[in-house]
Amino acid sequence: AQKITQTQPGMFVQEKEAVTLDCTYDTSDPSYGLFWYKQPSSGEMIFLIYQGSYDQQNATEGRYSLNFQKARKSANLVISASQLGDSAMYFCAMREGRSSASKIIFGSGTRLSIRP
Amino acid sequence: NAGVTQTPKFQVLKTGQSMTLQCAQDMNHEYMSWYRQDPGMGLRLIHYSVGAGITDQGEVPNGYNVSRSTTEDFPLRLLSAAPSQTSVYFCASSGVFPSYNEQFFGPGTRLTVL
Repeated sequence: AQKITQTQPGMFVQEKEAVTLDCTYDTSDPSYGLFWYKQPSSGEMIFLIYQGSYDQQNATEGRYSLNFQKARKSANLVISASQLGDSAMYFCAMREGRSSASKIIFGSGTRLSIRP
Repeated sequence: NAGVTQTPKFQVLKTGQSMTLQCAQDMNHEYMSWYRQDPGMGLRLIHYSVGAGITDQGEVPNGYNVSRSTTEDFPLRLLSAAPSQTSVYFCASSGVFPSYNEQFFGPGTRLTVL
């Protein structure tokens, strides 16, 4: 069964530093997708980045990059040059398989706080 | 293009009451889902659907019913509300493989059961 684990409940980082948020996953399906979402204090869910299991390169979107290590089953989010507006909850999620019935499950999240 | 819409935004129920949370999307997405988020926690999947007439259970389906009669709508029914169902409910939609690399979320419904 698919499983997502985020082991960092909370993190404090100095503004302008880079930060890595950990995510490990478990699946027996060779085909899957990994997502990262941001949830600010206002509550909405904001899509950040996606990585497919067959993608040859690590995904990048602006200041966000996904450090995908398939053998270790990890998909860590890296935020470069952190900003005060990056303070939020961050969730890792996974979609298993190519079936149209594949569901998306989420990890428990990491609360990131940026210090000025 | 409104994306994913949810109504109501806030709701207070008494124990034992029933209600329906509405969700609609205008992106012609096959996949729709409902999650609940308890304070300080992640999102847990309640039910999901991969097309009209097709639904399946997620991680925490007990106490909730769903149906999917159209591509656009995916209502969530609470049959007999309990205080344990106090939560924020999110509806989401996406395409299916290979167009499933992003799931769009609605703004959420904050439900309190007294």
